Amino acid sequence: DQQVKQNSPSLSVQEGRISILNCDYTNSMFDYFLWYKKYPAEGPTFLISISSIKDKNEDGRFTVFLNKSAKHLSLHIVPSQPGDSAVYFCAARVNYGQNFVFGPGTRLSVLP
Amino acid sequence: ETGVTQSPTHLIKTRGQQVTLRCSSQSGHNTVSWYQQALGQGPQFIFQYYREEENGRGNFPPRFSGLQFPNYSSELNVNALELDDSALYLCASSSGTQNYGYTFGSGTRLTVV
Repeated sequence: DQQVKQNSPSLSVQEGRISILNCDYTNSMFDYFLWYKKYPAEGPTFLISISSIKDKNEDGRFTVFLNKSAKHLSLHIVPSQPGDSAVYFCAARVNYGQNFVFGPGTRLSVLP
Repeated sequence: ETGVTQSPTHLIKTRGQQVTLRCSSQSGHNTVSWYQQALGQGPQFIFQYYREEENGRGNFPPRFSGLQFPNYSSELNVNALELDDSALYLCASSSGTQNYGYTFGSGTRLTVV
């Protein structure tokens, strides 16, 4: 039973355009969400987070949107760069808990 | 400020054997979590240690065990290895027990044959 879903295994975007990565969740007790980026042979690196009391958080080229009623998150990358090519994981925390539930990831390819 | 380091980077074991994976936490982080990432999947929570005590556990059998040492380094031990244990094992460090995100190591790729 996947509590965090990333239904697009892969996404290709042209350099300079917007990348939109989506994440859906089922557990209404999730109170904090993060996006991680992972390059091959490296561990995941933190990108951006959002609390369930907010609906948007922005950091440079990265913006995360949260729609609690739809149980949906999205990560927008504008403009996309070739260095953004990686696997992106959405992760959610249960109610101040000690661990995160990760989605299966979306592989983003930014084409020059 | 050092990051999270894991050793070894790759390991091949035979079914039924035991394995120990090691992790050195980021300086100042007193919480360590271990995750298993199977091919094509997201990381799955194994357990977390805080101040040398297990502080939470995911849906993994008791043959997965851990230790955290006073210097905050830690070990993941897996007994009676099964083929399905083949995965990338990630160590992640953080501060405190209410988690707002991790610093991950690069992982240990375990192959069970």
